[in-house]
Amino acid sequence: LAKTTQPISMDSYEGQEVNITCSHNNIATNDYITWYQQFPSQGPRFIIQGYKTKVTNEVASLFIPADRKSSTLSLPRVSLSDTAVYYCLVAGSSNTGKLIFGQGTTLQVKP
Amino acid sequence: ETGVTQSPTHLIKTRGQQVTLRCSSQSGHNTVSWYQQALGQGPQFILQYYREEENGRGNFPPRFSGLQFPNYSSELNVNALELDDSALYLCASSLGEGTSPLHFGNGTRLTVT
Repeated sequence: LAKTTQPISMDSYEGQEVNITCSHNNIATNDYITWYQQFPSQGPRFIIQGYKTKVTNEVASLFIPADRKSSTLSLPRVSLSDTAVYYCLVAGSSNTGKLIFGQGTTLQVKP
Repeated sequence: ETGVTQSPTHLIKTRGQQVTLRCSSQSGHNTVSWYQQALGQGPQFILQYYREEENGRGNFPPRFSGLQFPNYSSELNVNALELDDSALYLCASSLGEGTSPLHFGNGTRLTVT
């Protein structure tokens, strides 16, 4: 499974756009990139998943360059409730459910 | 649709005892994965079950075991509890196809004294 590297922590203010970049230099051809959000004492929650270029849903966008060695999660206009830990994971269909989580990025949104 | 539910929410056990944690998967999901999350760390993969068969094991000793039932619910058993087993135990279900995302429960907080 590809190893990922992301910043340990980030600070932002309400209303700002937040971009969290994840490095995955050893990503395999059939690997997808998935981001999860976790609040204290809760299980992780799926945010977004992509393979290449750009994916957008109602809560976030995921940007993946052509070489796929990194990806950026973009959260538009964050609020205090977006304060959480964000995990970037890379896995293919053969490893579904057997994910390797790093320490994630702790995002602190300030008023 | 019913999400993933875990029971109990909290549990206190003594070193050497055994514990059983339970998980009801989301409706329509046939795969269940178990994770251990220590304080301040990311979840660590323990076991996965697909259609009642063990389908993968992480770097955990054999005293961590489990099973999946015909309705795809699951239980995780931990024998000979150690102090380091104190953690949040998370269950996640998925369709088990392609790269379908995991749906996590809110976990069972296990404290071993």
